[in-house]
Amino acid sequence: NAGVTQTPKFQVLKTGQSMTLQCAQDMNHNSMYWYRQDPGMGLRLIYYSASEGTTDKGEVPNGYNVSRLNKREFSLRLESAAPSQTSVYFCASSERVIGGYNEQFFGPGTRLTVL
Amino acid sequence: SQQGEEDPQALSIQEGENATMNCSYKTSINNLQWYRQNSGRGLVHLILIRSNEREKHSGRLRVTLDTSKKSSSLLITASRAADTASYFCATGGATNKLIFGTGTLLAVQP
Repeated sequence: NAGVTQTPKFQVLKTGQSMTLQCAQDMNHNSMYWYRQDPGMGLRLIYYSASEGTTDKGEVPNGYNVSRLNKREFSLRLESAAPSQTSVYFCASSERVIGGYNEQFFGPGTRLTVL
Repeated sequence: SQQGEEDPQALSIQEGENATMNCSYKTSINNLQWYRQNSGRGLVHLILIRSNEREKHSGRLRVTLDTSKKSSSLLITASRAADTASYFCATGGATNKLIFGTGTLLAVQP
């Protein structure tokens, strides 16, 4: 099992360009998440999908859109990239456990630089 | 805003020593989890403690939870150079969302 995979690993964009970060998991998990991690900070939730067909905003959703394409795949789109979106982006997945007692499994991350 | 605040921000110890990291949080929780992140990698789950538990062990890890003080601690005993990483606490509520703290950077010197 590959677990959670993310593409690309690295990306450099110019301000105003758009791109989509891809995430896939092979653990048959219901829930998927997108986080960003900035230097000296923990992870901040951008969007999440509790189950196939649903998406919800997290703490920092502005400037991003998501698509839960199917149970395996959850993509994150930057429509018009800004330097403030320079960050490392992590995708994660988890089982949907009653009461929220779920551990999350993380992908290796995408390092994005916006010039 | 961050739910968890880790203390200290950075910790440097010698191999064989114990490392203790603390986490404080603000709101009521169902569970608290600890994750490790090696440099340039994704996070890896270490241990989960439920709100009705006070202590939990897993190998060289010991986690305590004090819900009255809204705090938790992670103890790594007999540390190894391979334990060098950042450690994050994350709090979980009734939803499947987690809120992560700012992390403790642990350096274990051989």
